[in-house]
Amino acid sequence: AQTVTQSQPEMSVQEAETVTLSCTYDTSESDYYLFWYKQPPSRQMILVIRQEAYKQQNATENRFSVNFQKAAKSFSLKISDSQLGDAAMYFCATAQGGSEKLVFGKGTKLTVNP
Amino acid sequence: NAGVTQTPKFQVLKTGQSMTLQCAQDMNHEYMSWYRQDPGMGLRLIHYSVGAGITDQGEVPNGYNVSRSTTEDFPLRLLSAAPSQTSVYFCASSYWNRGADEKLFFGSGTQLSVL
Repeated sequence: AQTVTQSQPEMSVQEAETVTLSCTYDTSESDYYLFWYKQPPSRQMILVIRQEAYKQQNATENRFSVNFQKAAKSFSLKISDSQLGDAAMYFCATAQGGSEKLVFGKGTKLTVNP
Repeated sequence: NAGVTQTPKFQVLKTGQSMTLQCAQDMNHEYMSWYRQDPGMGLRLIHYSVGAGITDQGEVPNGYNVSRSTTEDFPLRLLSAAPSQTSVYFCASSYWNRGADEKLFFGSGTQLSVL
């Protein structure tokens, strides 16, 4: 079974600063994907970034990047130049390769202070 | 292109009542799924389907039924609602088993309260 652990229930950051959200996972699969989803107060689930486990290069999407440490089963999200609109719940998730059955962590609530 | 549409957005039930949460997608996705989101618990998979006529259980299937008679629709039925089913429910869909381009599309959620 796959599990995802987000050890930080809440985080805060000053506007324009950088923040890192932690995620560790456990899986017996050799082929899997990792995701970060953002859930703003509107409740909509928004895919922020995804990483294929077979790729060594860390994924980046504009101000969002990941630090993927496969041996340590760690998948942290770095948000640079934080903006007020980044305030949301952030969920880390994993799925077996070829499957869309995501397993989610419990989430981290990010507050951005002006 | 409407994406994934869930109805209703809000619902209040009494214990023992039944209801169906509707989910429809217009992207010709093979895969459809239902998640529930509880405070402090993240999202947990209830049921999923990889095509019309094919359904399977997820992590928390008890108390819920599903069917998939068409590619577009995947309703979730609560036969006898219980307070423990108070939650936010999300429907999600995607193409199935197409590799790195797969992306899960979520509906906007249904807030369900069971009194």
